[in-house]
Amino acid sequence: QVQLVQSGPEVKKPGASVKVSCKASGYTFSSYGISWVRQAPGQGLEWMGWISSYNGNTNYAQNFQGRVTMTTDTSTTTAYMELRSLRSDDTAVYYCAREVGAIARGWFDPWGQGTLVTVSS
Amino acid sequence: DIQMTQSPSSLSASVGDRVTITCRASQYISNNLNWYQQKPGKAPQLFIYSASNLQTGVPSRFSGSGSGTDFTLTISSLQPEDFASYYCHQSYTSPPTFGGGTKVGIK
Repeated sequence: QVQLVQSGPEVKKPGASVKVSCKASGYTFSSYGISWVRQAPGQGLEWMGWISSYNGNTNYAQNFQGRVTMTTDTSTTTAYMELRSLRSDDTAVYYCAREVGAIARGWFDPWGQGTLVTVSS
Repeated sequence: DIQMTQSPSSLSASVGDRVTITCRASQYISNNLNWYQQKPGKAPQLFIYSASNLQTGVPSRFSGSGSGTDFTLTISSLQPEDFASYYCHQSYTSPPTFGGGTKVGIK
């Protein structure tokens, strides 16, 4: 079945970087893009950006421009999201999700199980 | 960015009740509106895409409607497993944006 499995929880100090992985299986990896969405504790969903698994093109949300880098490794069917210069308000669960449907007009299915990133001194 | 406004933000209902959640876009989004269910500690799960299409495996008591700026998610007869949060999501234009969520609780 189609599945996205993310890396484990992380604890980071302010100013550090974190890199979260998202291993895809059960489908042709290069045929679908991957979006990253985060959810702060008790809050709603915030889209961070998208990467094409076909050619590596990216589209980042303005809030994260300059601080986030999304990449893919087609040989291992894994997507990565690196966030730099972490602040306490970056504490959140980070999700990867496959984008289905028309490019840039699709829906997210499935989602990874989420990775909790805690930023604390 | 397109703002998505969900209402109510929370509601209490009983098993068997008919529940309606609304989502309003700040501008026209055609039928590019999707709904997700999220249970505590779990990832969101796609329930409805393109406003009215039920994802495979989602019970038929769920339905979606609307086009343009106003959309509705309806649960015809609430079941115990439906107590969760629901989020709408517009995919009409980048950046994709989400509603603030509706938490469906037990009365």
